[in-house]
Amino acid sequence: DAKTTQPNSMESNEEEPVHLPCNHSTISGTDYIHWYRQLPSQGPEYVIHGLTSNVNNRMASLAIAEDRKSSTLILHRATLRDAAVYYCILSGHTGTASKLTFGTGTRLQVTL
Amino acid sequence: DGGITQSPKYLFRKEGQNVTLSCEQNLNHDAMYWYRQDPGQGLRLIYYSQIVNDFQKGDIAEGYSVSREKKESFPLTVTSAQKNPTAFYLCASSPTGGRQPQHFGDGTRLSIL
Repeated sequence: DAKTTQPNSMESNEEEPVHLPCNHSTISGTDYIHWYRQLPSQGPEYVIHGLTSNVNNRMASLAIAEDRKSSTLILHRATLRDAAVYYCILSGHTGTASKLTFGTGTRLQVTL
Repeated sequence: DGGITQSPKYLFRKEGQNVTLSCEQNLNHDAMYWYRQDPGQGLRLIYYSQIVNDFQKGDIAEGYSVSREKKESFPLTVTSAQKNPTAFYLCASSPTGGRQPQHFGDGTRLSIL
């Protein structure tokens, strides 16, 4: 499976935008880019995913580089509730299942 | 509300015992998954199932077993062959069609007494 590289940690002030980077230089043409986040002692929560075009939903935006070797998750206004570990994952296609390989993610700290 | 229910939240096991973790979903998803998470690490795939009565090994299946007799249920048994079972176990499900987002339960934390 193709691998992703993320910074170990980032900090942000509340109500400011946050840009979480992810490098995936070995991405294949059929890999989707997924983002999940995990709060302590909870299961991961799906945030957003995309293939080639930028994507927006109520939680965040996903900006994908033209060569698809990197992407950025954008939280438009960080709140204390956004403090979590954010995982950037490339999905491997396995029939009807979506096989995900999690790295160690980026720990986002949000301060007042 | 639809979702995934994992029980129990905390589980203790004596060495040499098998223990079964429960996972139930009412999202009508065909695919289900089990992951293991160690402190400070990402999730690793143990087993996954695409349909009833079918399942495949993930990256760390040794010492674990699963069954999928019903669409809603995907129990995981941690056997005595698993040498280091203390971990946080997470169950997930997803719709069919590949690359669909996975929905996770709140996990079961297993500890060895």
